[in-house]
Amino acid sequence: RKEVEQDPGPFNVPEGATVAFNCTYSNSASQSFFWYRQDCRKEPKLLMSVYSSGNEDGRFTAQLNRASQYISLLIRDSKLSDSATYLCVAIYYGNNRLAFGKGNQVVVIP
Amino acid sequence: TAGITQAPTSQILAAGRSMTLRCTQDMRHNAMYWYRQDLGLGLRLIHYSNTAGTTGKGEVPDGYSVSRANTDDFPLTLASAVPSQTSVYFCATGGPGTGDHEQFFGPGTRLTVL
Repeated sequence: RKEVEQDPGPFNVPEGATVAFNCTYSNSASQSFFWYRQDCRKEPKLLMSVYSSGNEDGRFTAQLNRASQYISLLIRDSKLSDSATYLCVAIYYGNNRLAFGKGNQVVVIP
Repeated sequence: TAGITQAPTSQILAAGRSMTLRCTQDMRHNAMYWYRQDLGLGLRLIHYSNTAGTTGKGEVPDGYSVSRANTDDFPLTLASAVPSQTSVYFCATGGPGTGDHEQFFGPGTRLTVL
């Protein structure tokens, strides 16, 4: 079983709509979580960290549920420029290595 | 600043040939990583280095070797390439001190082994 699981989609979202997706992690010792964004044929880049209390960055909201071992990302008022693959990432402080999910592909449709 | 550079951008390689993918950073990060990304499999760690002079194996190290002679450079070598090593290779830097353990990725090298 992969350490981090994501539904690859694609998630087809009308422009202006809200989209949300989850990712589950298997290692309860995971300490920190992140969402990375990857555009087609480009390198991944950090979108936001995920804090236990949840956090918001503009139209993006990230949540962590340690009891059920999942994190979520919600995008409000979707823009065409939000079309990308969103990678869920967990890190274990013991080795400082990131475990990546396969990504949720989001396609915002005009 | 350039951040992280990778070379070459892309390469077609005959099976059995050797090749070194280059990665250089100017961010003075201690940790460096090599990943491969394949459709349907996501990003997988090949090798890593927590600091100059040390290296470690990741999830898929077989067929690859690395060295870390200094802080800035972390080359990845394929001694005898096979078609299953066709992939996009990303070098990354990061680790403690970079803020929340964020990793920074280079632009990638697209390798095709025929």
